Amino acid sequence: DAKTTQPPSMDCAEGRAANLPCNHSTISGNEYVYWYRQIHSQGPQYIIHGLKNNETNEMASLIITEDRKSSTLILPHATLRDTAVYYCIVRVDGNYGGSQGNLIFGKGTKLSVKP
Amino acid sequence: DARVTQTPRHKVTEMGQEVTMRCQPILGHNTVFWYRQTMMQGLELLAYFRNRAPLDDSGMPKDRFSAEMPDATLATLKIQPSEPRDSAVYFCASGSGQVQETQYFGPGTRLLVL
Repeated sequence: DAKTTQPPSMDCAEGRAANLPCNHSTISGNEYVYWYRQIHSQGPQYIIHGLKNNETNEMASLIITEDRKSSTLILPHATLRDTAVYYCIVRVDGNYGGSQGNLIFGKGTKLSVKP
Repeated sequence: DARVTQTPRHKVTEMGQEVTMRCQPILGHNTVFWYRQTMMQGLELLAYFRNRAPLDDSGMPKDRFSAEMPDATLATLKIQPSEPRDSAVYFCASGSGQVQETQYFGPGTRLLVL
């Protein structure tokens, strides 16, 4: 079972910031928070990940609360092409051979960016 | 632009037939994953390989599914015999095997078993 909770859907106006929340209240100290997205009819795409510090790359920013029980993915200027299902996943790194290293996809948040 | 490729992209077959799906991981990646996606179950991990050796196939129905890596550039997922409940999109992903590994997904094979 997925260890994260996300709202099933969200809307965002084109050009505005999209803030996607994720709860992971049972996260362990060695688990990272990963975000992937899946645009319709395509394979999932990696966005960003972090352990406890906030992270930023060319696609998005990841804000993790100090207690690490929740996080927010921020798309600073959403475009129509950002319409997708966004998955928040917690995962232990470098532990293959056990299930903790697997990506367990939940139902994600369906983000609709509207003109 | 390195990508994971999958063939065929679409497959329609009749119940009882054998289905083989192929995946070419990104050159240099040593970890390969197979996932299945349905509306009901979402994305599920079926199996994964490291350096061509199967590490975990607990998500895969053993009686009819088999996964192999004949060489470092090819992974196969076979269903024999296929059943209507196998209809799904099958994704292959590859990774570098490093700590904090990112998985790169292929475009998927859409399978319909009639």
